Amino acid sequence: QVQLVESGGGVVQPGRSLRLSCAASGFTFTSHGIHWVRQAPGKGLEWVAFISYDGVNDYYADSVRGRFTISRDNSKNTLSLHMNSLRADDTALYYCAKDPGFGPRPADFWGQGTLVIVSS
Amino acid sequence: QSALTQPASVSGSPGQSITISCTGTSSDIGSYNLVSWYQHHPGKAPKLMIYEGSKRPSGVSNRFAGSKSGNTASLTISGLQAEDEADYYCCSYAGTRTLVFGGGTKLAVL
Repeated sequence: QVQLVESGGGVVQPGRSLRLSCAASGFTFTSHGIHWVRQAPGKGLEWVAFISYDGVNDYYADSVRGRFTISRDNSKNTLSLHMNSLRADDTALYYCAKDPGFGPRPADFWGQGTLVIVSS
Repeated sequence: QSALTQPASVSGSPGQSITISCTGTSSDIGSYNLVSWYQHHPGKAPKLMIYEGSKRPSGVSNRFAGSKSGNTASLTISGLQAEDEADYYCCSYAGTRTLVFGGGTKLAVL
């Protein structure tokens, strides 16, 4: 069955960097784009970034463009989100989510999330 | 990338039907038949309930139905059950290779 397992969350100071990872299994990783979506405490879901099946194309929300970088390693079925210049409003539960196909289109399966807290 | 508009909360009694609206613009919902709906219980992974506006994934109850008219998508849940109590989010392709979510609707089954 499809599994997406996020890791790498934690407490980080404003202005610092953090890298999140997502391990995928149970589907043909190289045939699907992948998204990162986040949920700040008490808030709704916010789309963050998308990477194409082959890693060639990536797209970002305005709120993170220039600070976050999404990447993937198709040899290891893993996805990463490199987050730089972190701000308090980046505090959220970060989910990786599988695109139904090459995408981007709304995801069809989600992981459980990893929590990022940006605080001094 | 403005969020889609959903009511903050809806409620219904067991057995009743409710509808959650999701209003966007001609740049997102109005232009593409790529609206999905998710059920989200706090602390759990969001679950896909409807995709491409009105299609149900395998395993999702036929009590859940999606529709679209113009710039507004809707999720209707019939025969409400206690287990349906959750947060519901719509999501649409927004063009320029981006997605946009609604603000979420808290469903209370009274």
